[in-house]
Amino acid sequence: GQNIDQPTEMTATEGAIVQINCTYQTSGFNGLFWYQQHAGEAPTFLSYNVLDGLEEKGRFSSFLSRSKGYSYLLLKELQMKDSASYLCAPMDSNYQLIWGAGTKLIIKP
Amino acid sequence: EAQVTQNPRYLITVTGKKLTVTCSQNMNHEYMSWYRQDPGLGLRQIYYSMNVEVTDKGDVPEGYKVSRKEKRNFPLILESPSPNQTSLYFCASSQGDGHEKLFFGSGTQLSVL
Repeated sequence: GQNIDQPTEMTATEGAIVQINCTYQTSGFNGLFWYQQHAGEAPTFLSYNVLDGLEEKGRFSSFLSRSKGYSYLLLKELQMKDSASYLCAPMDSNYQLIWGAGTKLIIKP
Repeated sequence: EAQVTQNPRYLITVTGKKLTVTCSQNMNHEYMSWYRQDPGLGLRQIYYSMNVEVTDKGDVPEGYKVSRKEKRNFPLILESPSPNQTSLYFCASSQGDGHEKLFFGSGTQLSVL
């Protein structure tokens, strides 16, 4: 079956760095998305990886290893507004997104 | 402004009373989709549409209907809502067949009593 595994909750300090891991098993693979979702709001796109390696976009970076079925989202210089849930979503061979339950990130001052 | 407009934002109804949640996008996107989100679970796809007059079931289609008569609109219909359909619903759209990033509506919190 298809499965996504990411931590339920993480806590970090303002100004620090945090890494949110995601492991996945899918039927085929057509890339992996990360979305940010603030409480009660809609998810918003953060990143898309289809090839192995690190993609950097400002304070946020996303890494993919297809052979390991593994991705992570790296957030630097954490700000209070980064408190949100982070959703990992690989795409299977039918171009369907498989959504993880998300990681709730709590930022403390 | 490019956006997905979803209405209503909040809805409380009773079992069996038909309701429609509207979704409209102004980006000329071909792909549209409906999701429900429940605590502790990932987004679950209800129905999706690759283009006008083309709709397909997602993972949890039971109890829902959709239509895609125009490219911009993709309403979600609950013919006879039940309490287990109490959830947060999101409409989303993307260019192409869904492997582009999704743009989400602001969500509809539905409570079925």
